[in-house]
Amino acid sequence: RKEVEQDPGPFNVPEGATVAFNCTYSNSASQSFFWYRQDCRKEPKLLMSVYSSGNEDGRFTAQLNRASQYISLLIRDSKLSDSATYLCVVNPSQNTDKLIFGTGTRLQVFP
Amino acid sequence: ETGVTQTPRHLVMGMTNKKSLKCEQHLGHNAMYWYKQSAKKPLELMFVYSLEERVENNSVPSRFSPECPNSSHLFLHLHTLQPEDSALYLCASSQVLGPPGSYNEQFFGPGTRLTVL
Repeated sequence: RKEVEQDPGPFNVPEGATVAFNCTYSNSASQSFFWYRQDCRKEPKLLMSVYSSGNEDGRFTAQLNRASQYISLLIRDSKLSDSATYLCVVNPSQNTDKLIFGTGTRLQVFP
Repeated sequence: ETGVTQTPRHLVMGMTNKKSLKCEQHLGHNAMYWYKQSAKKPLELMFVYSLEERVENNSVPSRFSPECPNSSHLFLHLHTLQPEDSALYLCASSQVLGPPGSYNEQFFGPGTRLTVL
């Protein structure tokens, strides 16, 4: 089983749509969780951290379900500029900054 | 513009060449990382330097040799590479040894796109 697993997509959605990505992780002792965004031919950038209580940043909502070992990202009112690959990232230990990346889910928002 | 720069941005090399990738961070961080990103694969962590000491080496072939002369610079020396080593090589930095439970965001450079012929 992959350490971090994501549906590669692509998800093709119209502007204004709501889209959700899920991600599962295999290590139940994992401590920290994140969503990174990577635009085509660019470097990954942190989109948001994922907290146990769930967190929201504008149109983006991240949730964590430790019991089921999955993380989700919800994007409301999609914009063309949201088109990118969304990487699910897990830090398996509190004592290291080693990050485990998923393969990413590609989102394409069309007019 | 990020605080992490990488040179060159593109590199084409033959299997017998020796080349080096350079990374520089301007963020005052104390940890640096090399990642490899191949098509349709997740980012793979290659090396981690924390406080200028190598703390992680993820079974990377010896044809890749990292060097961290100080906390701001990181090199990846390449020799006798194989075509399957063609990929995007990303450098990142972060500030480790923060408060317990704190997350130290990793900031990535733009990468070097390497093609091995």
